[in-house]
Amino acid sequence: DADVTQTPRNRITKTGKRIMLECSQTKGHDRMYWYRQDPGLGLRLIYYSFDVKDINKGEISDGYSVSRQAQAKFSLSLESAIPNQTALYFCATSDRTGPGANVLTFGAGSRLTVL
Amino acid sequence: AQSVTQPDIHITVSEGASLELRCNYSYGATPYLFWYVQSPGQGLQLLLKYFSGDTLVQGIKGFEAEFKRSQSSFNLRKPSVHWSDAAEYFCAVGSYNTDKLIFGTGTRLQVFP
Repeated sequence: DADVTQTPRNRITKTGKRIMLECSQTKGHDRMYWYRQDPGLGLRLIYYSFDVKDINKGEISDGYSVSRQAQAKFSLSLESAIPNQTALYFCATSDRTGPGANVLTFGAGSRLTVL
Repeated sequence: AQSVTQPDIHITVSEGASLELRCNYSYGATPYLFWYVQSPGQGLQLLLKYFSGDTLVQGIKGFEAEFKRSQSSFNLRKPSVHWSDAAEYFCAVGSYNTDKLIFGTGTRLQVFP
């Protein structure tokens, strides 16, 4: 099994629908992240969490929310999806401190299409 | 402002040719530097990292990168490219006291037989 598992891998939905992307990890890492990838824009950080009670906004958090249900689980929600949220979404994890806090382990990605 | 620049959006090379992907950064603190690779349909995989010490670092799949502080660069190299190296490559910068990495916009590598 993968260290970082994302579900669903692909999702097509309609404008206005609520969508949840889930992420679970077996790395035992404290830090978890949600990124969005768009062609030509690289990876942009949506939200990140250092533990269950510590959640922080990234550079593009508007229109998104997250929940850290447990150390190993971090979900991303789009409360009312819009077409410009069509993108590839990645979950990632890292150690809490030290140089390892910068070393990210990524999931395989969740491709979301909003019609 | 902190940033990472990958000036080449798309590079095409022939199989067996040498490769250099450019990465420049602007960062206030002593940087930690990374290269990640994303193969089609896959997540990002760490190729190599630089924290301190020897400025020439070796990674997986025969890749290496050199940190040049005076040029604020961390270019990725491979002496002989294989068709399986076709992918998108991302440079990233962080530091010991940062919450998050800053990624470049990526360079897509195409390899011709």
